[in-house]
Amino acid sequence: QVQLVQSGAEVKTPGSSVRVSCRPSGGTLSTYTFSWLRQAPGQGLEWVGDIIPVLGLSNYAQSLQGRVTITADESTTTAYMELSGLRFDDTAVYYCATERNSWSFDSWGLGTLVTVAS
Amino acid sequence: QSALTQPASVSGSPGQSITISCTGTNNDVGSYNLVSWYQQYPGKVPKLMIYEVTKRPSGVSNRFSGSKSGNTASLTISGLQAEDEADYYCCSYAGTSTFVVFGGGTKLTVL
Repeated sequence: QVQLVQSGAEVKTPGSSVRVSCRPSGGTLSTYTFSWLRQAPGQGLEWVGDIIPVLGLSNYAQSLQGRVTITADESTTTAYMELSGLRFDDTAVYYCATERNSWSFDSWGLGTLVTVAS
Repeated sequence: QSALTQPASVSGSPGQSITISCTGTNNDVGSYNLVSWYQQYPGKVPKLMIYEVTKRPSGVSNRFSGSKSGNTASLTISGLQAEDEADYYCCSYAGTSTFVVFGGGTKLTVL
């Protein structure tokens, strides 16, 4: 398993954008597929999307299509998730995780709390 | 409303076995052997317990097992222990349009 280091908590206003980063310690991006998932307070898990850095290929949840962009920068060994047009119900802990070939998530970051408030 | 249906809660006594069901459709659970299960303690990060319906990652106790029949997957925990008290989520691949769906989670209480 790999340790994933995520960026710190964010407080944003409605309509703005947020970018959360995720860096694997001791490895390169090309070794993994990275998924982003989120969990609203007191709620269940929701898949946001993923990226295969070696292919430059991203997939996104239909519910967030058009608002979410997942990228990877090999030069900084960092994956990013950017969510635009923030709404109150985007308030959640956002996790990055490495994805096995079988669409399961084995290593997780500690999560980044994104709060959308006016 | 979650795509996969799980019971909101289950309970059992130490030493007993419990089973958590996860019901989907022909578009997800029924079509792919790509069901996974996650354990989550309050305020903590989810942990992968089962993948590809029946497989356990290294380090996961063999008291945890998974199965699937039709559109319903199941997680069984045998020899229940106090430390098993947590929330459990099922997850399935759902094809190249939806990709991944989760259940709403089941709270396991060890009596």
